[in-house]
Amino acid sequence: DGGITQSPKYLFRKEGQNVTLSCEQNLNHDAMYWYRQDPGQGLRLIYYSQIVNDFQKGDIAEGYSVSREKKESFPLTVTSAQKNPTAFYLCASDRGQGRSPLHFGNGTRLTVT
Amino acid sequence: GESVGLHLPTLSVQEGDNSIINCAYSNSASDYFIWYKQESGKGPQFIIDIRSNMDKRQGQRVTVLLNKTVKHLSLQIAATQPGDSAVYFCAENNPGNQFYFGTGTSLTVIP
Repeated sequence: DGGITQSPKYLFRKEGQNVTLSCEQNLNHDAMYWYRQDPGQGLRLIYYSQIVNDFQKGDIAEGYSVSREKKESFPLTVTSAQKNPTAFYLCASDRGQGRSPLHFGNGTRLTVT
Repeated sequence: GESVGLHLPTLSVQEGDNSIINCAYSNSASDYFIWYKQESGKGPQFIIDIRSNMDKRQGQRVTVLLNKTVKHLSLQIAATQPGDSAVYFCAENNPGNQFYFGTGTSLTVIP
């Protein structure tokens, strides 16, 4: 079955450490996205990529970085510069042609103490 | 319906009844809308979508209604089942092809 795989499901880190969240898709989608979900708020866009080796900042990119070296993979690094990193992170993908639904992974819950 | 804040709106329905979940969207230029279902600890799951050239679309046990005049979207679930218990939220897609998401409504189905 095609889908999006995020790993790990739970991640714990100490403050000041960088951490990388994995996202892999086998849907052959061109576009991939990272969202952050906090209680009582709508999903907020961190970064997105419409094509390999290219990506753009979303609404809350500060303290995060991404890479898109392969079509299937879009890892997100949460750096020590992110002031409030504890959250549920969702990766998504779509065909990138507009007006098509986003497909989501099952998320990674990051806790930083 | 949708709201901004720390507490999700909640809706409780008896099993077998119909559910109606509402969403107010913000951008009158948005032309594509999606409803998602999210169970605890999981990613959002696509339910149904609708384009702005339509005002109603039906799927299996679900219907989405779009009222562009008042920028309102609703999701109707027929014969609600316990497995329908989840958070439901809408997403709007603007001409810049970016999605904006509502905060969600928590649906609880009482057996």
